[in-house]
Amino acid sequence: KNQVEQSPQSLIILEGKNCTLQCNYTVSPFSNLRWYKQDTGRGPVSLTIMTFSENTKSNGRYTATLDADTKQSSLHITASQLSDSASYICVVNVAGGYNKLIFGAGTRLAVHP
Amino acid sequence: NAGVTQTPKFQVLKTGQSMTLQCAQDMNHNSMYWYRQDPGMGLRLIYYSASEGTTDKGEVPNGYNVSRLNKREFSLRLESAAPSQTSVYFCASSKQTGRDTQYFGPGTRLTVL
Repeated sequence: KNQVEQSPQSLIILEGKNCTLQCNYTVSPFSNLRWYKQDTGRGPVSLTIMTFSENTKSNGRYTATLDADTKQSSLHITASQLSDSASYICVVNVAGGYNKLIFGAGTRLAVHP
Repeated sequence: NAGVTQTPKFQVLKTGQSMTLQCAQDMNHNSMYWYRQDPGMGLRLIYYSASEGTTDKGEVPNGYNVSRLNKREFSLRLESAAPSQTSVYFCASSKQTGRDTQYFGPGTRLTVL
């Protein structure tokens, strides 16, 4: 069964600190892996995308890694800001077909001043 | 360029009532999708439309119907609402199916009493 699991479910950090969110997946066949940011009351917005051959991708203070052998990904946030408070969703695209996405349940991050 | 828009933002229904959720995109995308998001779960695909004139079932289609009115608009209809359909509904679009990034609307929060 195709699954995406994320940890932790929620996280509280102080402004300026770094944090790392984890994603494990069992999806086959694999096409790519994305991290989405979802602000409260809004739709998800794509942060990064990585294919099988890429093991790191950055977008400003966000850096995603991918280990295709162990089927794990992480999202590292550097020098957190209050605006980083959101849910971060790991999403795996199943190869072939209609752009089928398998969504994780997300990690809810709260950045406190 | 508004991206993906959805109406209404909030809706309360009684069991058995019907309603249509509207979605429109102005990015000239070919493919459109409807998802639902429930607490503690990842987004799940209800229906998708790979291109104008086609629609297909996703993971959780029971109790829903869709209409791809034209290239821009994709509506979701609940014929006889049930409490189990209480959820947040997201519409998304992408250039094509396959691996293209999906862009999400702001969501409709639906409560069925």
